[in-house]
Amino acid sequence: GESVGLHLPTLSVQEGDNSIINCAYSNSASDYFIWYKQESGKGPQFIIDIRSNMDKRQGQRVTVLLNKTVKHLSLQIAATQPGDSAVYFCADQGGKLIFGQGTELSVKP
Amino acid sequence: DTGVSQDPRHKITKRGQNVTFRCDPISEHNRLYWYRQTLGQGPEFLTYFQNEAQLEKSRLLSDRFSAERPKGSFSTLEIQRTEQGDSAMYLCASSSDSLEAFFGQGTRLTVV
Repeated sequence: GESVGLHLPTLSVQEGDNSIINCAYSNSASDYFIWYKQESGKGPQFIIDIRSNMDKRQGQRVTVLLNKTVKHLSLQIAATQPGDSAVYFCADQGGKLIFGQGTELSVKP
Repeated sequence: DTGVSQDPRHKITKRGQNVTFRCDPISEHNRLYWYRQTLGQGPEFLTYFQNEAQLEKSRLLSDRFSAERPKGSFSTLEIQRTEQGDSAMYLCASSSDSLEAFFGQGTRLTVV
């Protein structure tokens, strides 16, 4: 079956640095991915999405890159702030929305 | 507030009791999803609906779990004869077709 996985369970960065969170997927037919941010005790919050007809999409301080050849996507956060500390999930929106395990981002002041 | 609403936010129940959770999706969304999440894990898919039709139910879901969306609007998730292993956060989300899904704040279930 399809699966989505993140490469590192935890990531610690200095405030102001850029963060990169990686994700791999297994289903080559997957064509729509979403990144979510989850803070403690809250539901996941939509950050940015990307379809397979794109390699890159930018939002405010966030960029998602998609490499369909190796079935990999990444979330880049520019100038990471303490408020960015959370768990980040990539999800395959193929109808039933499958999540990976998440990467916990810690921002050191 | 026009976001996804879940009720209750917290539920403590004794083992063997039945519990029911409610989810009110964003009004114009035709898809509704249920997930279970335990500490340190990603949301685990349980089931999802397109309007009132239940399209898929996870094989991990035992027969003690049932979900309904009778009028294609709100949904309920019932767990019968709760076990300690059912303790988790139960999340609901909604979307317009296969577009981005928006989540509620979840219902935290504790089975004692």
